[in-house]
Amino acid sequence: EAGVTQFPSHSVIEKGQTVTLRCDPISGHDNLYWYRRVMGKEIKFLLHFVKESKQDESGMPNNRFLAERTGGTYSTLKVQPAELEDSGVYFCASSQGQDYNEQFFGPGTRLTVL
Amino acid sequence: QKEVEQDPGPLSVPEGAIVSLNCTYSNSAFQYFMWYRQYSRKGPELLMYTYSSGNKEDGRFTAQVDKSSKYISLFIRDSQPSDSATYLCAFGGGSYIPTFGRGTSLIVHP
Repeated sequence: EAGVTQFPSHSVIEKGQTVTLRCDPISGHDNLYWYRRVMGKEIKFLLHFVKESKQDESGMPNNRFLAERTGGTYSTLKVQPAELEDSGVYFCASSQGQDYNEQFFGPGTRLTVL
Repeated sequence: QKEVEQDPGPLSVPEGAIVSLNCTYSNSAFQYFMWYRQYSRKGPELLMYTYSSGNKEDGRFTAQVDKSSKYISLFIRDSQPSDSATYLCAFGGGSYIPTFGRGTSLIVHP
């Protein structure tokens, strides 16, 4: 069974540009989460989808971030325009249920904003 | 005071050593306690999960929780070079979203 996949693995962009990150969850997982780790800091929650609906977006830093999950399958996270402080590793996780021990993480996308 | 304190290391030990990794927390609402292992360029992988004080053992790994002291530990016996990774503690308090520590980098050298 394939795990959570994320694309691209690494993105380098200039300040002011737009970047779109993609996450493909494990097949059949209704729950999809986005997290971010800024260098030297903890992994922080961004938002949670249940199927195509946003269940919790309390961790989204500002309106430059837009997450979508059309059709309840893969999800995209767009950053527009990107700022220097957006640099970090963006993780996606998926789960069938909502218990702590059910989330499976993807390998992450490393975003560098110059 | 930060909710979770975890020494980032690195912690370097010889193969075969017993490793002790620790976290302290301040939030009394935390009732679920987890340890994740993260290899370089990979996502976190759940290693241990418990919701009670005391010890939980899984092979060479033992998770210990002391709720009264707000202190959790992960012990690795007979450490192997393949155990070299970053270990993150994480906590849950009723929502389904874990609160992570910064992670401790562990290096086990042959």
